Amino acid sequence: AQSVAQPEDQVNVAEGNPLTVKCTYSVSGNPYLFWYVQYPNRGLQFLLKYITGDNLVKGSYGFEAEFNKSQTSFHLKKPSALVSDSALYFCAVRDKGDSSYKLIFGSGTRLLVRP
Amino acid sequence: NAGVTQTPKFQVLKTGQSMTLQCAQDMNHEYMSWYRQDPGMGLRLIHYSVGAGITDQGEVPNGYNVSRSTTEDFPLRLLSAAPSQTSVYFCASSYKGHPNTGELFFGEGSRLTVL
Repeated sequence: AQSVAQPEDQVNVAEGNPLTVKCTYSVSGNPYLFWYVQYPNRGLQFLLKYITGDNLVKGSYGFEAEFNKSQTSFHLKKPSALVSDSALYFCAVRDKGDSSYKLIFGSGTRLLVRP
Repeated sequence: NAGVTQTPKFQVLKTGQSMTLQCAQDMNHEYMSWYRQDPGMGLRLIHYSVGAGITDQGEVPNGYNVSRSTTEDFPLRLLSAAPSQTSVYFCASSYKGHPNTGELFFGEGSRLTVL
């Protein structure tokens, strides 16, 4: 069965500093991996995805994520945080071989960027 | 573009009442799904559909019904509301032909309280 773990409920970082939001996954086959962001009282918005190819993927708003197959991780990163990045971030995984197309989400990590 | 539209945004029910959450998308997406979001638990898949006339269960389907008579609409029915169904519900859809690798587009959510 597919699963996603986001070990940190909250990440605090000062504006201008680099940020990392951690994600590890478990699938029986090869993964498709996604990051989504949720601002208050809004639906989730797609940030970036890993399907195949280069392990470092770049997405919206200057975010990037690195796929590490040996560590089954897909951490979200940004070189310089902005106060406006404060939001709830979700990692999600699909099993490439799963014909049901189910997307399984982690529990979410709240990012707080202080001025 | 309207994207994914959910109604109502807020609803209060009494235990045992039934209701339908509406979801419509105007992007010709074949894949549609319903999630519920609860604190500390992320998003959990309730039901999904890979096309008109086709529906299937997700992780937490009990107490909910769905139907997909058209490509555009995917209503979620609560048959007999229970306090455990108090949650925020999100409808999401994916690009035609890419349900496995495509990102989900989310509605703004429907906040349901069952007393």
